[in-house]
Amino acid sequence: DAKTTQPPSMDCAEGRAANLPCNHSTISGNEYVYWYRQIHSQGPQYIIHGLKNNETNEMASLIITEDRKSSTLILPHATLRDTAVYYCIVGYGNKLVFGAGTILRVKS
Amino acid sequence: AAGVIQSPRHLIKEKRETATLKCYPIPRHDTVYWYQQGPGQDPQFLISFYEKMQSDKGSIPDRFSAQQFSDYHSELNMSSLELGDSALYFCASSLLTSGGDYNEQFFGPGTRLTVL
Repeated sequence: DAKTTQPPSMDCAEGRAANLPCNHSTISGNEYVYWYRQIHSQGPQYIIHGLKNNETNEMASLIITEDRKSSTLILPHATLRDTAVYYCIVGYGNKLVFGAGTILRVKS
Repeated sequence: AAGVIQSPRHLIKEKRETATLKCYPIPRHDTVYWYQQGPGQDPQFLISFYEKMQSDKGSIPDRFSAQQFSDYHSELNMSSLELGDSALYFCASSLLTSGGDYNEQFFGPGTRLTVL
C-alpha cells in the first residue's frame, strides 16, 4: 500500500472551508484515495473516496491532482463538530492502513 | 440505519487472562475487519474475513485468533493478555463491490480493553 503524508495539525475558523492536503506520490494506478475521520476515540467514519476524478458528496469534496500524487479534502463550511483526526488512506480492496493523520481544530 | 455492534463496550482483565470481543456487522455486509488502536496511536489493522474465510492478516499477535460465523458475526479471542494489549478494538464491516476493488468500511463504537 502506498504511503501518505499529511500535516500533523491544522486550524480552521467555524463557517470557513477547511482544506486538508495529502501527498501520496507512490500511489499505483489501481489504488483509491480514501478519507476517514475519527472524532475523539469514536470509530473512524468514512468521508469520501476517489480514483482519478474529483468527487463530491454531502460531507465533503475530494480534489485529486491529474498525476494522482496528491489530493485535498475540502469541508466547505466547517463546524465545531468537524474537529477530529482526518486520515488520508491509499489502497486497493481490503484493509485500511492508517498513517498519521491531520488533527483539524475548528475554532469559533 | 443499523450500525456495527460491538460487545462488550468496556472490558477489564488481569494479565494472563483471556478475552473475547464480539462484532455484529451491518446486515447483508459480507466482510468484517478488526483494528487495534493503542493509547495515542492510530488504528492498526489486525485481520479480516470475507464470507467467513480469513481474507487478510496484519500485525496480529499469535496469542490472538478470530473467526467469522455463519451468521456473519465475528469474534476476536485474545489469550495470555499483556499490559500492552490495553487498547481500543474496532470492528468494521463492508459490502465488497462486485469487482472487489474498493469498499467503504463502517466502524463500530469499539471495545475498550484494559489489562491490569
